[in-house]
Amino acid sequence: DAGVIQSPRHEVTEMGQEVTLRCKPISGHNSLFWYRQTMMRGLELLIYFNNNVPIDDSGMPEDRFSAKMPNASFSTLKIQPSEPRDSAVYFCASSFSGSTNEQFFGPGTRLTVL
Amino acid sequence: SQQGEEDPQALSIQEGENATMNCSYKTSINNLQWYRQNSGRGLVHLILIRSNEREKHSGRLRVTLDTSKKSSSLLITASRAADTASYFCATDKEGAQKLVFGQGTRLTINP
Repeated sequence: DAGVIQSPRHEVTEMGQEVTLRCKPISGHNSLFWYRQTMMRGLELLIYFNNNVPIDDSGMPEDRFSAKMPNASFSTLKIQPSEPRDSAVYFCASSFSGSTNEQFFGPGTRLTVL
Repeated sequence: SQQGEEDPQALSIQEGENATMNCSYKTSINNLQWYRQNSGRGLVHLILIRSNEREKHSGRLRVTLDTSKKSSSLLITASRAADTASYFCATDKEGAQKLVFGQGTRLTINP
């Protein structure tokens, strides 16, 4: 299995631009999680989906952030408009909800907003 | 605030020594997991201990759980340079699927 796939791996953009991060979970996993990691705040859960349905989006910072999961094999996290304080590493993780909640992380997308 | 808090924040030891990291949490849990993160990489699951277990081993890893004190420890024996990484504990509350991660312990193994 290829594991969780994220794209792009690095993104540099200017303030005000729209940013879209993509994730392909492990086949057969039915839960998907989006995290943000910074030195100051550590690893924060932004939102998670179960069977393609958003379950908890309480970690989404503000309305500039949105996430979708149109099918079991694809999810996007969009930031519009982006701001410098959004600079961070964004991780996607997936798991199978019928098991022990072990999560499998992707390699992350390093976002820099200038 | 984070459910899990690791202690110490940073630890530097010599290769071959044992490394112990601690994690405290606040609410009742279903499971507690430990993850490792190498620099520039995603987190990798190491070991899981259920709330009704007190100790678990996996290779050079030993995890303990004390639910009365709401704490866990991760022991890495005979450390190697390749163990240099950040280590995170993560808890899932009873009935919930999401994990809450601590701030992590940054472990450095000196050759």
